[in-house]
Order: sequence, then C-alpha cells, then structure tokens
Amino acid sequence: AQTVTQSQPEMSVQEAETVTLSCTYDTSESDYYLFWYKQPPSRQMILVIRQEAYKQQNATENRFSVNFQKAAKSFSLKISDSQLGDAAMYFCAYRRGTNAGKSTFGDGTTLTVKP
Amino acid sequence: ETGVTQSPTHLIKTRGQQVTLRCSSQSGHNTVSWYQQALGQGPQFIFQYYREEENGRGNFPPRFSGLQFPNYSSELNVNALELDDSALYLCASSLAVLNYGYTFGSGTRLTVV
Repeated sequence: AQTVTQSQPEMSVQEAETVTLSCTYDTSESDYYLFWYKQPPSRQMILVIRQEAYKQQNATENRFSVNFQKAAKSFSLKISDSQLGDAAMYFCAYRRGTNAGKSTFGDGTTLTVKP
Repeated sequence: ETGVTQSPTHLIKTRGQQVTLRCSSQSGHNTVSWYQQALGQGPQFIFQYYREEENGRGNFPPRFSGLQFPNYSSELNVNALELDDSALYLCASSLAVLNYGYTFGSGTRLTVV
C-alpha cells in the first residue's frame, strides 16, 4: 500500500521569506502523480500544484514550486515570497497512474506566516 | 463555473442513526470522490463514483454507501452511525484524467453523539 509522510506537523515563515515543506512517499509503482493541496481555516481544500512522475522537470506555479526526487521518493513544496494568505494546512497527496480515483494523503503541515 | 457544493455544512446525529450527505459536482466534472477527514489528519478515501458506478473503495465498511446521479451529483450514506464516524466529510469532483487534481467542497462536519 502506498503511504505518504509529512514529517513537519508545523512550520512557520516570516512574510516575504521562503519556506520548504517536506513530503516523502512509499510506492512500488513507476507511474504515478503527486499533488500539493492547501486547506485554509475556511476548510475548502485547493489544489496548489501537481507533478507527473514521468516528468523530470519540477513543476512550478507562480510562487510555488516543487523539488521532485523520484529515486529518493521525495516531493517537497517551496513557497517563495510568503504571504499572509499562504497560512493554511498543506497536504501532500499521491495517486497511482492506473487509477484516476483514490489519492493517498499525508497528515498535513500547518504553515504559519508571521507578519 | 460553479464549484463543488456540499450540504449540510454541519450535522449532529445520535449513535445508531443514519445520515445522508449531498454533493453537487463542479460543472463539467464526471467523477466524484468522498473522503473522511478526522481532526488533525489527512483525508481518507472512502469511495469514488464514475458514470454512476462505484469504481474504487477505501477501507470503509459496507455501511458507508453512495450514489452518483446522471447530473454527476452524489450522495454519501452512512448507516448505524458510530461515535468514530464523527469527522469532516469532503466531496471532491474531477475529470477521469489521471493527472487531474480534485476540486473539493467545503465539507460536512458530522458529529455523532
């Protein structure tokens, strides 16, 4: 069974600084997809960024980028120029390449942004 | 485009009762998944529906059941409620495309007393 581990229950960052959230996963599959979701206190979860395992290039979405290390099974999220609105719980998720359904989520990292 | 809408937002039920949670998918999405999120934890996959058929299920007992309707809206039914069923229930819609992420609803907070 696939597992996703987020080893940092809480992280904090100063506004305008950069922070990296860690995620590791365990799988025997070679074809899969990885996602980062953000869940603000309003609780509606929002997709932040996605990465296809077959792509070597790291995904980037504006201030959000990932460091995908397939051999190490690591998928970290870097948030640059942190803003107060980035404060939320962040979840890393894994989806098998043969199943467009089930995603396995980590237990999340709570990010605090200090003004 | 409309997002994912869930109802009700909050619900209190007594142990042993039955509950139905509802979800309207985002326009254009044909797949609906349901997740249970306990406090302080990540979402746990309950099941997924595609073209009105269940096509994936997590480690949840049969008293968790669902439906998907022709307009892609969905229901989650839970029978014989237990105290441990207290959680946030999230509905997520998507396209049946592997790298397509979810659009989540705001969830239904279920409390079983």
